[in-house]
Amino acid sequence: DVKVTQSSRYLVKRTGEKVFLECVQDMDHENMFWYRQDPGLGLRLIYFSYDVKMKEKGDIPEGYSVSREKKERFSLILESASTNQTSMYLCASSSTEAFFGQGTRLTVV
Amino acid sequence: AQSVTQPDIHITVSEGASLELRCNYSYGATPYLFWYVQSPGQGLQLLLKYFSGDTLVQGIKGFEAEFKRSQSSFNLRKPSVHWSDAAEYFCAVASYSSASKIIFGSGTRLSIRP
Repeated sequence: DVKVTQSSRYLVKRTGEKVFLECVQDMDHENMFWYRQDPGLGLRLIYFSYDVKMKEKGDIPEGYSVSREKKERFSLILESASTNQTSMYLCASSSTEAFFGQGTRLTVV
Repeated sequence: AQSVTQPDIHITVSEGASLELRCNYSYGATPYLFWYVQSPGQGLQLLLKYFSGDTLVQGIKGFEAEFKRSQSSFNLRKPSVHWSDAAEYFCAVASYSSASKIIFGSGTRLSIRP
């Protein structure tokens, strides 16, 4: 079974902190994704990566950056967390269809 | 640009009734299409996918979907819903080149009336 693991289920951070969300997949997939999920807005793509060190902006990249130094790991970085980044963050990897992690519920206070 | 529209935010159906969830997409070439389900407190699970071939695709849990190119639609159906089908359903589209992003709709929440 494909496994996509997100490092934390719940996080509480303060405004202005630098936040790292980590995601690891075990199926050697080329593509990895970060989405945020908010009620009524569905899943919105923040960034995706199609190879090591390769990344492309999604629909809402502002306030975020990403890092993919190894094929299995894709990190989302909030450089200076703000309250409007309180959300559920979902990581996925894919070859054909996407496989998702369990999500990280981030609260910025 | 790719986009996906799910026009129904919330649908309630009676247990045992039939179900159809609507999905319209916008994409220049032939898309790859997906339906995912998210039960409360759970992650997203793939229900079915369409890449090519037969436009009626069967999925898990008794769901099916039909790709209609002329209508840019990929509606999800089930002949008889069960209380356990209460969840949020997401339609998604991808292009599947070597670097392909997957775009999701805003979701449809399904409630089941006993």
